Amino acid sequence: KAGVTQTPRYLIKTRGQQVTLSCSPISGHRSVSWYQQTPGQGLQFLFEYFSETQRNKGNFPGRFSGRQFSNSRSEMNVSTLELGDSALYLCASSSSAGGPDTQYFGPGTRLTVL
Amino acid sequence: DQQVKQNSPSLSVQEGRISILNCDYTNSMFDYFLWYKKYPAEGPTFLISISSIKDKNEDGRFTVFLNKSAKHLSLHIVPSQPGDSAVYFCAASASKYSGGGADGLTFGKGTHLIIQP
Repeated sequence: KAGVTQTPRYLIKTRGQQVTLSCSPISGHRSVSWYQQTPGQGLQFLFEYFSETQRNKGNFPGRFSGRQFSNSRSEMNVSTLELGDSALYLCASSSSAGGPDTQYFGPGTRLTVL
Repeated sequence: DQQVKQNSPSLSVQEGRISILNCDYTNSMFDYFLWYKKYPAEGPTFLISISSIKDKNEDGRFTVFLNKSAKHLSLHIVPSQPGDSAVYFCAASASKYSGGGADGLTFGKGTHLIIQP
């Protein structure tokens, strides 16, 4: 079974621009979560989507948004980029079939904001 | 306020010996705990998990122990191998939805495990 895929793997943007990252979950997984990893803050939860609805959200400004499509693929958008948005953005999927869930991560998208 | 803490940023262990990685948490609502292994520029790889109804879970060389009263869990790797050198993250979640599915994971800062030959 193919794992979680993320595109693009690397991205360079300048301040003020906006960016869209894409994530395809493991086949059959309906829940997609997004995380930001930075050296200072570690791995932080951004938001989770399930059946095209945002089900949970971490403590990030409104510049960070996302959506999920009917095939469970998800996109994450960051508007008005700031230098501090430079990070590894990770997507994780889970089956969310009931009970505790294990999330499986993709390789990440490395975003550099200049 | 860090809800999941890994107090050892790094740990060096000789090949063949036992590696013990520790994790403490403060949120009593956490009921599911996971360990991930991560290499630079890659996503975390799931290793092993434990539900709060258990106190031990074993999978091959990896065993996770949970002490709910102390809000402490540990990962034991026996025997340690060179390929185990990586950053290990402890993560926790609080089941929020009656239909199942975990809340966002809360991660510790990680412990860099170095296996010496």
